[in-house]
Amino acid sequence: NAGVTQTPKFQVLKTGQSMTLQCAQDMNHEYMSWYRQDPGMGLRLIHYSVGAGITDQGEVPNGYNVSRSTTEDFPLRLLSAAPSQTSVYFCASRRVYLTRGETQYFGPGTRLLVL
Amino acid sequence: AQTVTQSQPEMSVQEAETVTLSCTYDTSESDYYLFWYKQPPSRQMILVIRQEAYKQQNATENRFSVNFQKAAKSFSLKISDSQLGDAAMYFCAYNTHNYGQNFVFGPGTRLSVLP
Repeated sequence: NAGVTQTPKFQVLKTGQSMTLQCAQDMNHEYMSWYRQDPGMGLRLIHYSVGAGITDQGEVPNGYNVSRSTTEDFPLRLLSAAPSQTSVYFCASRRVYLTRGETQYFGPGTRLLVL
Repeated sequence: AQTVTQSQPEMSVQEAETVTLSCTYDTSESDYYLFWYKQPPSRQMILVIRQEAYKQQNATENRFSVNFQKAAKSFSLKISDSQLGDAAMYFCAYNTHNYGQNFVFGPGTRLSVLP
């Protein structure tokens, strides 16, 4: 049971380049989400999904696309990277109904630097 | 909308001493969950402790305990016998059992442990 995995761990991009951050979970969780973490601003929700084929925007969705073709995978796409997207990105998963005794599980994070 | 506030951006504690991190939240729900997550320098988000609003008894996990004051909407974390490994960012978070409810995070408190 690997939990939530993310690749790559670290990436450097030039302005205007595109890339996909990968996220996968093996806990059969319906709900998956992407956060970015910037100094002094905590975790901000980018996009989330409550199941395969269903995605929605979070607090800071601009510049990012997502899709959810399977329960396990939830990739985050940057179509044209900007320096403002330099951040640490976390993927998370949990059951769509958060029941007693459960929580949200996080991947190890991807550090992205846009030059 | 729900909000979570952590009024202490930074705290420090001497090794073996006790420290309390503050968290307040705003919600109109009567049934919800509160969490404390720890983020050490490795950046991994680790669940420290969980509290369910319907429970009057404060949650405890070894050296970690909470003071949950539902009427005051306060949820503080007490760390007893602080250890060097407790040094980290600590995030307070809120969620409910509603379908697809997104986690709401506070901005975090950076805890330093002095030898």
